[in-house]
Amino acid sequence: DGGITQSPKYLFRKEGQNVTLSCEQNLNHDAMYWYRQDPGQGLRLIYYSQIVNDFQKGDIAEGYSVSREKKESFPLTVTSAQKNPTAFYLCASSTPSGLAGSTGELFFGEGSRLTVL
Amino acid sequence: AQKVTQAQTEISVVEKEDVTLDCVYETRDTTYYLFWYKQPPSGELVFLIRRNSFDEQNEISGRYSWNFQKSTSSFNFTITASQVVDSAVYFCALSDHLLTSGSRLTFGEGTQLTVNP
Repeated sequence: DGGITQSPKYLFRKEGQNVTLSCEQNLNHDAMYWYRQDPGQGLRLIYYSQIVNDFQKGDIAEGYSVSREKKESFPLTVTSAQKNPTAFYLCASSTPSGLAGSTGELFFGEGSRLTVL
Repeated sequence: AQKVTQAQTEISVVEKEDVTLDCVYETRDTTYYLFWYKQPPSGELVFLIRRNSFDEQNEISGRYSWNFQKSTSSFNFTITASQVVDSAVYFCALSDHLLTSGSRLTFGEGTQLTVNP
């Protein structure tokens, strides 16, 4: 089935460690996104990529890094510089809305919950 | 700057009641797009609807209906005859870049809906 796969589902990290969250999609979508979700704050955009080998900072990029070497993959690294990394992270992808039948919606993975010990 | 406000943090209803989730948005753009997403306990967000700013026609899909009023900058979501399976967090979102390859969405804080049997 087509979709977005995020791993791991749960991750624990000690302070000072970098961790990488995986996001893979087989929907042939050009654009991919990383959102952070905190209780009562909705979703906030960390990074997004509209095409391979290109990505832009979102609203809360500090302390995070990404790469987009393949169309299918958009991993997110939470670095030790991120002061409050405990959160639920959601990866999404989308197809250009100009395509027939497209609504421009985002397709989301099931998320990765990161806890810093 | 864009902003989406969902003033209702939590709503609790009894099965078969009708319930309306409020969404108020702010944008300076004349062309924009509004979305509703559902987040069940599994974590992934599920797309429900997209509405273009130039189309104020209300929409009904089964037990779901949406009331878009540009004059009050609102895009409210009503569930008729609610069911326990409707229990989830519902997000309203706003975008003004739909026609490019990437859709940057601004999300509201979400409304936790609990439908009790």
